[in-house]
Amino acid sequence: ETGVTQTPRHLVMGMTNKKSLKCEQHLGHNAMYWYKQSAKKPLELMFVYSLEERVENNSVPSRFSPECPNSSHLFLHLHTLQPEDSALYLCASSQGVGDTDTQYFGPGTRLTVL
Amino acid sequence: GENVEQHPSTLSVQEGDSAVIKCTYSDSASNYFPWYKQELGKRPQLIIDIRSNVGEKKDQRIAVTLNKTAKHFSLHITETQPEDSAVYFCAAKGLTGGGNKLTFGTGTQLKVEL
Repeated sequence: ETGVTQTPRHLVMGMTNKKSLKCEQHLGHNAMYWYKQSAKKPLELMFVYSLEERVENNSVPSRFSPECPNSSHLFLHLHTLQPEDSALYLCASSQGVGDTDTQYFGPGTRLTVL
Repeated sequence: GENVEQHPSTLSVQEGDSAVIKCTYSDSASNYFPWYKQELGKRPQLIIDIRSNVGEKKDQRIAVTLNKTAKHFSLHITETQPEDSAVYFCAAKGLTGGGNKLTFGTGTQLKVEL
């Protein structure tokens, strides 16, 4: 349960605030991911990082800005969000980005935008 | 890109009965199919996965079958227990779009009743 950790677990912010979500993995993996989980919708992949380089950006609005300073840490910087951005944001990691690499998830950050 | 459909969206079974959840995918190049279980307020956790070179895989009460010709795969839970109650997500991953993307189904809320 401690392989992938996320902080904070809950966050309430106004539309003009700037905040950051943090993810850390202790599994020695080389790839990290951000997902958005909204009610009644499938998990939506936002960003993929492999060896600290962004390898996928799934048409995510620029108000979400990822940062991967090293292979163990991943951030999601948030600014001028909208109420519809309220969701559970999940981080995941995997050994690599090969087509059969298993992804392990963190506990998520429950974000509420007022 | 890949499209994954999952049915049913909700499933209620009596304790001890079997539960079956079905998924279809669109990309014939997909070759990795994990299943995740997400309990209320917790992270998605991998429970079983299957690769395209096999048609069936079993782990105690859980089994997954894959039909590559028909492009569908299923999760089977036998002798269900109350602790099996959760949301189950199927996913598919392949070589298109860079081979990094895990596409999820919309989830099945399984309730095991006493």
